[in-house]
Amino acid sequence: AQRVTQPEKLLSVFKGAPVELKCNYSYSGSPELFWYVQYSRQRLQLLLRHISRESIKGFTADLNKGETSFHLKKPFAQEEDSAMYYCALNNYGQNFVFGPGTRLSVLP
Amino acid sequence: DSGVTQTPKHLITATGQRVTLRCSPRSGDLSVYWYQQSLDQGLQFLIQYYNGEERAKGNILERFSAQQFPDLHSELNLSSLELGDSALYFCASSVGQDPYEQYFGPGTRLTVT
Repeated sequence: AQRVTQPEKLLSVFKGAPVELKCNYSYSGSPELFWYVQYSRQRLQLLLRHISRESIKGFTADLNKGETSFHLKKPFAQEEDSAMYYCALNNYGQNFVFGPGTRLSVLP
Repeated sequence: DSGVTQTPKHLITATGQRVTLRCSPRSGDLSVYWYQQSLDQGLQFLIQYYNGEERAKGNILERFSAQQFPDLHSELNLSSLELGDSALYFCASSVGQDPYEQYFGPGTRLTVT
């Protein structure tokens, strides 16, 4: 079955430190993966998708099919990055699977 | 503002009751998705409609049903409510059939007492 796991419920880092939010998936095909972010009192919004290989707000994520991972990384965390981050997988017309989420807290 | 609206914002009701949640997608979006977010289950996909037709189904209980109307707004009906149905219910919309880029609404918080 399709599944997305995010092992860390909470991740705290200091401002300026590198951050990596882990995401692993199980899927029996070519996955389409996304990261969504929810800032305090705001709606859930798309942060980035693996097929566009873009960098948004300094974040990047690389799909590693061998390790079935799609970790989100940023070299220097900012306080405004504090939010809830969800990794998600598109099961092509069947459903959209979200991970449980990781709360990132960037400390001053 | 993503343009997706949901009403009501909050809803408090008793066990055994029935409620209807409403979602209006962004202008031009044909797909509507419903999600349930609870503390223990996280964000769970319930169902998707595309241009009035059911497109995909997730972990939606039989007590729950949804529909999308000709004007593309959607309603999620929850019946025989149980305490465990208390959650945030999100609606999202996208232009096409694939949830490639979904725009989320603010959610409806349902409390069942």
